[in-house]
Amino acid sequence: AQSVAQPEDQVNVAEGNPLTVKCTYSVSGNPYLFWYVQYPNRGLQFLLKYITGDNLVKGSYGFEAEFNKSQTSFHLKKPSALVSDSALYFCAVRSGFKTIFGAGTRLFVKA
Amino acid sequence: DAGVIQSPRHEVTEMGQEVTLRCKPISGHNSLFWYRQTMMRGLELLIYFNNNVPIDDSGMPEDRFSAKMPNASFSTLKIQPSEPRDSAVYFCASSRSLEGNQPQHFGDGTRLSIL
Repeated sequence: AQSVAQPEDQVNVAEGNPLTVKCTYSVSGNPYLFWYVQYPNRGLQFLLKYITGDNLVKGSYGFEAEFNKSQTSFHLKKPSALVSDSALYFCAVRSGFKTIFGAGTRLFVKA
Repeated sequence: DAGVIQSPRHEVTEMGQEVTLRCKPISGHNSLFWYRQTMMRGLELLIYFNNNVPIDDSGMPEDRFSAKMPNASFSTLKIQPSEPRDSAVYFCASSRSLEGNQPQHFGDGTRLSIL
């Protein structure tokens, strides 16, 4: 069965510093991987998705994700964090017709 | 473009009452999903539809829960009778299709409190 794991409940970073939110996956076959962000009192918003062949995926709001097949990871990155990036981030993987979401990682960006 | 629209945004009711949550998916999207989010269990998929037909309802917790999609622009999730443990945020999401690379677009949810 497909699954994703987000090993960190929370990530703290100073504004202007690079950020990384980690995600590892377990899939059979070609993976369909996604990142979503959730702001308070809002639904999840799609950030980016992995397309076979592109190891570095660029998405919304300056975010990008690095796909590493040997490490089965799909970490979310941003070169320079903003206070407004503070939110809950979900990694997700397709499993059949369903999308399996990770438990989420809360990102705090301190000014 | 209008996103996924859910109503009501907040619902507070007493246990035993019937609760109906509503969702309007993005026009042109053929797939619709209902999720429940709680601190304890995270995001749980309840049921999903494709072309208005329920495909998998294995995530529906009990027979008290039911969902319908009478047409391409409307879906309901009903709880009857409601219980305090049903308190959660319920999200509706839609996507263009069930194809693997299609992202889901979420509404802003209904925060349900059962007293």
